[in-house]
Amino acid sequence: NAGVTQTPKFRVLKTGQSMTLLCAQDMNHEYMYWYRQDPGMGLRLIHYSVGEGTTAKGEVPDGYNVSRLKKQNFLLGLESAAPSQTSVYFCASSYPHRRSGNTDTQYFGPGTRLTVL
Amino acid sequence: AQSVTQPDIHITVSEGASLELRCNYSYGATPYLFWYVQSPGQGLQLLLKYFSGDTLVQGIKGFEAEFKRSQSSFNLRKPSVHWSDAAEYFCAVGAITGGFKTIFGAGTRLFVKA
Repeated sequence: NAGVTQTPKFRVLKTGQSMTLLCAQDMNHEYMYWYRQDPGMGLRLIHYSVGEGTTAKGEVPDGYNVSRLKKQNFLLGLESAAPSQTSVYFCASSYPHRRSGNTDTQYFGPGTRLTVL
Repeated sequence: AQSVTQPDIHITVSEGASLELRCNYSYGATPYLFWYVQSPGQGLQLLLKYFSGDTLVQGIKGFEAEFKRSQSSFNLRKPSVHWSDAAEYFCAVGAITGGFKTIFGAGTRLFVKA
């Protein structure tokens, strides 16, 4: 089991460029998430998905788009990168809590360090 | 709205000493509670979680946490710290009903001195 993998590990963009971050999980989890991590701010949720073909906005969705065409993959897109999007991006997946259906334990990928110049 | 506060940005303890990391949350009911650990350059890993039942929960690597409803706290403890415990620790709160979002605290970085 590879768990949760993220591609690429590092990327440098110029302002205005676009890119897609790929997240893949092999645990057959229903739920997937994209977070950004900035110093002193913990993790903030960008977008999430509770199943194939569904996505929803998190806490900081502006400037990002996502797609979940396959259950095992969750893509995060930056259409026009800005310096404020310099951050470390983490993908996570989760199974639903057996009673409530809400998020249980999340499994995280190793992160993508993105710098926007 | 849900929120999580970790009052200590960083803590330094000596190897072999005990550890307590503080976490306070704001939520209208008893939430789901988690502690995650992040080693440098890596993703987060679950240490332990509380959903209901016994308020003292055991986790991996010898960690435990106690849920105190009256204090809205979920502090993490370890009786004897090892050098390999140096990492960043995140407390997190999840909704019991009506949501899939988990709110993370800002984190506490643990330094261990020999």
